[in-house]
Amino acid sequence: KNEVEQSPQNLTAQEGEFITINCSYSVGISALHWLQQHPGGGIVSLFMLSSGKKKHGRLIATINIQEKHSSLHITASHPRDSAVYICAGRGGGADGLTFGKGTHLIIQP
Amino acid sequence: DVKVTQSSRYLVKRTGEKVFLECVQDMDHENMFWYRQDPGLGLRLIYFSYDVKMKEKGDIPEGYSVSREKKERFSLILESASTNQTSMYLCASSLYQGATNEKLFFGSGTQLSVL
Repeated sequence: KNEVEQSPQNLTAQEGEFITINCSYSVGISALHWLQQHPGGGIVSLFMLSSGKKKHGRLIATINIQEKHSSLHITASHPRDSAVYICAGRGGGADGLTFGKGTHLIIQP
Repeated sequence: DVKVTQSSRYLVKRTGEKVFLECVQDMDHENMFWYRQDPGLGLRLIYFSYDVKMKEKGDIPEGYSVSREKKERFSLILESASTNQTSMYLCASSLYQGATNEKLFFGSGTQLSVL
């Protein structure tokens, strides 16, 4: 059983909509990464956070370590936001990272 | 900008061949990782290294080996490729400055097909 769960697995929305992707974990972690993977493979690190909230452009990430939950929000979504979003908790796994299976987001124009 | 470069974007090999996947990073990171990514399974750790000539098994090391002779280069070796090793392989490096301060950098991935 994967110890980091993401929801939804797939999400299709219209351009301009507010998007929320959730990440829940059962392991004890010290921090959490949010990653973005565009079609074609390359993964880009968006955030690492251990408490509170971080913002970068239209992306906002929040985390509540005690409740073992993190969310990634996208405001004013755009088709170029279409990608797979992956959360990874630091604290489990052989290298200290436990990955979720990803949320496949499609933003339609 | 940090760059993690994987030598091939697409690779087609035959069953039984020895396969080398190369990864080079240009930011003097000590930590390097090899993952494979399969639909529905997410990223799974194969091997990682925290220093030159040092290697540690990840969650799925069977059928793979690694080499890290220089700090910037981390190679993944499939000794005898099999069809169940058809996958996307991703190399990563990280600058780890504490449990709450870490930057991860990934290569573009190598899509390996074993026929």
